[in-house]
Amino acid sequence: QLQLQESGPGLVKPSETLSLTCTVSGGSISIDNHYWGWIRQPPGKGPEWIGSIYYSGTPYYNPSLKSRVTISIATSKNQFSLKLTSMTAADTAVYYCARRGAAAGGLSIGAFDIWGQGTMVTVSS
Amino acid sequence: DIVVTQSPDSLAVSLGERATINCKSSQSVLYNSNNKNYLAWYQQKPGQPPKLLIYWASTRESGVPDRFSGSGSGTDFTLTISSLQAEDVAVYYCQQFYSTPIFTFGPGTKVDIK
Repeated sequence: QLQLQESGPGLVKPSETLSLTCTVSGGSISIDNHYWGWIRQPPGKGPEWIGSIYYSGTPYYNPSLKSRVTISIATSKNQFSLKLTSMTAADTAVYYCARRGAAAGGLSIGAFDIWGQGTMVTVSS
Repeated sequence: DIVVTQSPDSLAVSLGERATINCKSSQSVLYNSNNKNYLAWYQQKPGQPPKLLIYWASTRESGVPDRFSGSGSGTDFTLTISSLQAEDVAVYYCQQFYSTPIFTFGPGTKVDIK
């Protein structure tokens, strides 16, 4: 079955750029009607959507993070990636990659049906 | 921006009893074009990612026990666990997707055993 796995550094210094990659296995990232997304969750808080991308390459970002976020996709590698610049302590969180699902016929379900296990990112000098 | 709120913040329910969680959106999440409410519910246990339970406000995800049900339309929604089991102890989040393609999660409701 489809699985997602995040990879990247667990510790980032203030003002630096976070780079994370999500590897999709058990299926193709180039599938119609499914978007791929990044969500983060600070310790003890609720999830926050960061952004999503379609295999054709059009990304969408949370307006609150848009100036610092870049999401890209590499269909040949079955991967998509996140870059978040100017990291601060407020960006400390578990970062998840996930798939936005679609029902039979292609209609978006408007929710994330498959998630990676998440990777903890701490911002500290 | 659509704001999503949940109530209560936490609740404790006896095993076998009903648990009810409410979610309110600041704007309607009903798409008139397809009559779908873009409201989802997730369950999250410690150390795990959120697990999708319900989408389109009332459609149960494959494999989710039928004691979980969702209801509501427009701006007011409810997740009901009809007979609480020990394995249902978790934090539950609602999430809206009306402001396409932007997602907003609620603050969560913690469910415990009384």
